[in-house]
Amino acid sequence: DQQVKQNSPSLSVQEGRISILNCDYTNSMFDYFLWYKKYPAEGPTFLISISSIKDKNEDGRFTVFLNKSAKHLSLHIVPSQPGDSAVYFCAASARGSTLGRLYFGRGTQLTVWP
Amino acid sequence: DAGVTQSPTHLIKTRGQHVTLRCSPISGHKSVSWYQQVLGQGPQFIFQYYEKEERGRGNFPDRFSARQFPNYSSELNVNALLLGDSALYLCASSLARPSTDTQYFGPGTRLTVL
Repeated sequence: DQQVKQNSPSLSVQEGRISILNCDYTNSMFDYFLWYKKYPAEGPTFLISISSIKDKNEDGRFTVFLNKSAKHLSLHIVPSQPGDSAVYFCAASARGSTLGRLYFGRGTQLTVWP
Repeated sequence: DAGVTQSPTHLIKTRGQHVTLRCSPISGHKSVSWYQQVLGQGPQFIFQYYEKEERGRGNFPDRFSARQFPNYSSELNVNALLLGDSALYLCASSLARPSTDTQYFGPGTRLTVL
């Protein structure tokens, strides 16, 4: 049962425009959310995270928004650059537990074209 | 600073064989988690070790085992390999408890079972 869902397998955006990647989750115990970026033949690279006590977190060109009532989060990249082309994974964990295992979505392939 | 390192990079085995994958965490990190990523899916949690003790296990058969050494490096062992074990195996380390600290991933070991 997929507890973290990324329903768009791919997204294509022109350079300079905004990229919006979406993620939904079903487990109400999740209280910490992360985005990872993955290039081919590399491991996932941590990008940005957000705690459930916030609804927005910014880091440079990257902003993550969390809507707890809708169990939805999104990653905004502004402006998008060709080097942002990669697979983006949404992940969630229940930090209140002692385990902290990450649950991942299937990923969204972002392509930024010039 | 060196990130998480994994060896080998690639591995080809035949059905029924045994495999050992290795992981060295970021210096100072005490927790290691293992994930399996099959093509088209997000990483799936296998094991978590913290302070050399197993702290959690995902839904994987007993053919999968792991351990963490006094220097916090880790090994993942898989016995009686099946074709379905072909995947990218990722190791992630975190400073302390994964439930409170961001997990950073290594480049992975690509296992092919023929």
